[in-house]
Amino acid sequence: GNSVTQMEGPVTLSEEAFLTINCTYTATGYPSLFWYVQYPGEGLQLLLKATKADDKGSNKGFEATYRKETTSFHLEKGSVQVSDSAVYFCALSDSNDYKLSFGAGTTVTVRA
Amino acid sequence: DSGVTQTPKHLITATGQRVTLRCSPRSGDLSVYWYQQSLDQGLQFLIQYYNGEERAKGNILERFSAQQFPDLHSELNLSSLELGDSALYFCASSVGLANNNEQFFGPGTRLTVL
Repeated sequence: GNSVTQMEGPVTLSEEAFLTINCTYTATGYPSLFWYVQYPGEGLQLLLKATKADDKGSNKGFEATYRKETTSFHLEKGSVQVSDSAVYFCALSDSNDYKLSFGAGTTVTVRA
Repeated sequence: DSGVTQTPKHLITATGQRVTLRCSPRSGDLSVYWYQQSLDQGLQFLIQYYNGEERAKGNILERFSAQQFPDLHSELNLSSLELGDSALYFCASSVGLANNNEQFFGPGTRLTVL
């Protein structure tokens, strides 16, 4: 079956620090990969996505590259802000079905 | 605002009771998904409907059921509630059936079973 393994948190950073959250996956078909973000008290919002190997998704300074050879989709941001404090979820949607399979989530706290 | 609405926002009830959670998808979206978010299980897929028909099922308990109506809104029914059913229940919608479609999430319904 499909699964997503995500770096354990919580992660605490200072403003302007570099952020990396590791994500690896197992899928039976040809998955699309996503990063969702959940701010306190809110639902999930799509941060970025990549639908095929070597695609790079990017949004709001965040980037992730679909690496089929290492089955990874690591999230990076070069300079975080306090407003980036949230829970980040890596997810995949397989070509055999359309549901999202999520990682456990990584809580990120950015301090001023 | 994702365009997906869920009601109620909070629900507090007792063990053994039955509740109904409601979801209205974004305008034009035919697919509706239900997910459960709990501290011990994380985010788990429950069930998907597409244009009124059940499309896929996850680890949904037999005590839980759902349907999608002709106007495309969906309801998730939870019965014989147990303490362990306390969780955040999210509805999401997408345009159609493709694994690269973005799913838009509602704000969730927080269920507390006492």
